[in-house]
Amino acid sequence: DAGVIQSPRHEVTEMGQEVTLRCKPISGHNSLFWYRQTMMRGLELLIYFNNNVPIDDSGMPEDRFSAKMPNASFSTLKIQPSEPRDSAVYFCASSLAGGADTQYFGPGTRLTVL
Amino acid sequence: KQEVTQIPAALSVPEGENLVLNCSFTDSAIYNLQWFRQDPGKGLTSLLLIQSSQREQTSGRLNASLDKSSGRSTLYIAASQPGDSATYLCAVRLPNSGYALNFGKGTSLLVTP
Repeated sequence: DAGVIQSPRHEVTEMGQEVTLRCKPISGHNSLFWYRQTMMRGLELLIYFNNNVPIDDSGMPEDRFSAKMPNASFSTLKIQPSEPRDSAVYFCASSLAGGADTQYFGPGTRLTVL
Repeated sequence: KQEVTQIPAALSVPEGENLVLNCSFTDSAIYNLQWFRQDPGKGLTSLLLIQSSQREQTSGRLNASLDKSSGRSTLYIAASQPGDSATYLCAVRLPNSGYALNFGKGTSLLVTP
């Protein structure tokens, strides 16, 4: 298995632009998680899906952030409009049985908003 | 909110040394605890998962222990190697928090030849 796939790996954009991050979970996994990692705050859960349904989005920082999972093999995290403080590494992870199981992380997308 | 603390933030040891990484958490009512490894520019790799009913887990040279009552976990690495150099993170899941993992900020380990 190729593992969790994220694209792009690096994104540099200007403030105010829309940013879309993409994730393909491991085939057969039914839970998907979006995390953000910064030096100041460490790793924070933004949102997670179970069977393509958003279960908890309380970690989404504000309305500028939105996430979708149209099918079991694809999810997006969108930031519109982007701001410099959104600069971070965004990770996608998937698991077979939600929180009872190991989460497998993708390589991350390093986002820089100028 | 569950607070997860990892001490030290950074550690440098010579190759071959046994070492212990520490993780503490404020709410002892956890569902499970995981140790992850993160290499620079890479994602996280799960090393060990300890359920709340377990006291320890072992994988090769790694041994993780869990003491819920004191809110502590340790990751023991035997006979360290330069390839062990990475950041090690612990994360806990609370029973009623859905699937959210609360992460510590990690310990950056450097094993020198």
